[in-house]
Amino acid sequence: SAVISQKPSRDICQRGTSLTIQCQVDSQVTMMFWYRQQPGQSLTLIATANQGSEATYESGFVIDKFPISRPNLTFSTLTVSNMSPEDSSIYLCSVGQTSTEAFFGQGTRLTVV
Amino acid sequence: AQSVTQLGSHVSVSEGALVLLRCNYSSSVPPYLFWYVQYPNQGLQLLLKYTTGATLVKGINGFEAEFKKSETSFHLTKPSAHMSDAAEYFCAVSSYNQGGKLIFGQGTELSVKP
Repeated sequence: SAVISQKPSRDICQRGTSLTIQCQVDSQVTMMFWYRQQPGQSLTLIATANQGSEATYESGFVIDKFPISRPNLTFSTLTVSNMSPEDSSIYLCSVGQTSTEAFFGQGTRLTVV
Repeated sequence: AQSVTQLGSHVSVSEGALVLLRCNYSSSVPPYLFWYVQYPNQGLQLLLKYTTGATLVKGINGFEAEFKKSETSFHLTKPSAHMSDAAEYFCAVSSYNQGGKLIFGQGTELSVKP
């Protein structure tokens, strides 16, 4: 298994600002993913964070709104840019070494006011 | 393409009763199937998973699930519910060629009555 630390655990932000969420893993992992969980909803994949190259975004998500960095095999960041109240969600980092495993961080609870 | 359908957004059982949470999937390739639990204000915890081999999978906290290819199902069961089982449960699907990406169902909230 992997131990995943996400920071911040929660934040309240003003609309129009940006927030960067960090995901730190205690071991090198091949795959890192970012998900969004809107209030009362299921999890939706935002993007795959690729080490050393641009992230791969899912339909409906764009780099300008959700820029992602992955400088090494243990760390990634997700930025939520130009926030609006609709961005209020839980953002979760997920990691896995193979296709048969996926571990999740505790999530970042974002409220945009 | 892959998808997951969880039947019932909310299930309520009495303490000590059988828990049955339903999950059906769609996949054009052999699926990997997962059940996760999310307690209030917490992240996701893996309950169990099926990738290959034995179709009856046992997980943590007394839960188990059976992969039925003919029914495209992966229902989660527990013989006797405990108050601490109250949480949100998510079924998810992936496959060998997805590199760990998961497609989640809508979730089922389990309530346990004393």
